[in-house]
Amino acid sequence: KAGVTQTPRYLIKTRGQQVTLSCSPISGHRSVSWYQQTPGQGLQFLFEYFSETQRNKGNFPGRFSGRQFSNSRSEMNVSTLELGDSALYLCASRVVGADTQYFGPGTRLTVL
Amino acid sequence: TQLLEQSPQFLSIQEGENLTVYCNSSSVFSSLQWYRQEPGEGPVLLVTVVTGGEVKKLKRLTFQFGDARKDSSLHITAAQPGDTGLYLCAGVSSGAGSYQLTFGKGTKLSVIP
Repeated sequence: KAGVTQTPRYLIKTRGQQVTLSCSPISGHRSVSWYQQTPGQGLQFLFEYFSETQRNKGNFPGRFSGRQFSNSRSEMNVSTLELGDSALYLCASRVVGADTQYFGPGTRLTVL
Repeated sequence: TQLLEQSPQFLSIQEGENLTVYCNSSSVFSSLQWYRQEPGEGPVLLVTVVTGGEVKKLKRLTFQFGDARKDSSLHITAAQPGDTGLYLCAGVSSGAGSYQLTFGKGTKLSVIP
């Protein structure tokens, strides 16, 4: 079974731009969560989606948004990028109701 | 706000030594998980502990969950260079259709051959 895939793996943007990251969950997993990982703050929860609906949201500004499609694939968008948005963005999928999430390799975003 | 504190933040040891990593929570979660993350990859789940006082073993790794379900430890016996990585504890909050992990900041372990 293929694991969680994230594209692109690396991205360089400049301040003020926007970016869209993509996540394809493990087949059969309908829940997708997003996390931001930085050296200073560690891993922080962004949001969770299943059945195309946001179910839970972390403490991030409205510039961070996401969506989920009918095939469970998910995208997250960051608008008006700031230098502090440079991070590893991780996607994780799980079977709804299960306590085990499987993480993708992440997208490394650098904002210049 | 639920917080998880891990210690130590960094650990550098010689191959064959033993080590313990600690995780302390400000509150009780549904369960607690331990992950290992290697550079350029996402975290990989090692274990989930649910019951206070629980002890789980995974080869040379021993995980303990405190009686009050607010603290946990990971003990590695006879560390090997392959154990090098970032060890993360995470509190699981689940219920009412939602699921969220709250992570500690991690312990970066280097095992020197």
